[in-house]
Amino acid sequence: GEDVEQSLFLSVREGDSSVINCTYTDSSSTYLYWYKQEPGAGLQLLTYIFSNMDMKQDQRLTVLLNKKDKHLSLRIADTQTGDSAIYFCASGSYIPTFGRGTSLIVHP
Amino acid sequence: EAQVTQNPRYLITVTGKKLTVTCSQNMNHEYMSWYRQDPGLGLRQIYYSMNVEVTDKGDVPEGYKVSRKEKRNFPLILESPSPNQTSLYFCASSLSNNAYEQYFGPGTRLTVT
Repeated sequence: GEDVEQSLFLSVREGDSSVINCTYTDSSSTYLYWYKQEPGAGLQLLTYIFSNMDMKQDQRLTVLLNKKDKHLSLRIADTQTGDSAIYFCASGSYIPTFGRGTSLIVHP
Repeated sequence: EAQVTQNPRYLITVTGKKLTVTCSQNMNHEYMSWYRQDPGLGLRQIYYSMNVEVTDKGDVPEGYKVSRKEKRNFPLILESPSPNQTSLYFCASSLSNNAYEQYFGPGTRLTVT
């Protein structure tokens, strides 16, 4: 079946940029997503990108898609302590497959 | 307010005692699903439903049942819970099975002793 891989932890200093990486196997995915899970809460869609795009920017968030390598990244500029959360990569055009989540820890 | 609600939010139970976790959405979504979240394993889909009376197994359906008698409700049933079903459970819904956004409930933390 489809697989989505991402590293489990990322630690950054407040004000720096964070880059969370993800690889996926389903080359037929129409969408690729980033979901954010804050402590004690459910997942919330943060951003998504269509598979025919290679970049999407939304304020502090930049999503890069390398379809050839099946690699997706999420860059958060000027990372704040409020960005501390678990970030899930997901792929799929039918039922999304989620990665295991990357815990982003932002320290002062 | 558009939302997905789950009840209960927390539950501690004993092995073998049947339980039901309810899920309800008020957005008239066709597609609903259940996930479990475990440390280091991320989200794994248990069951999903593409419409009323249409349900199908996800990746980890063993030990679970679901029903979809009405569009808004999608309860998760554990007929005989076991300790390996201790987990955090999320219900989600979306407009259709290929809609780009799923809306997640707040989660139900279940402990089976």
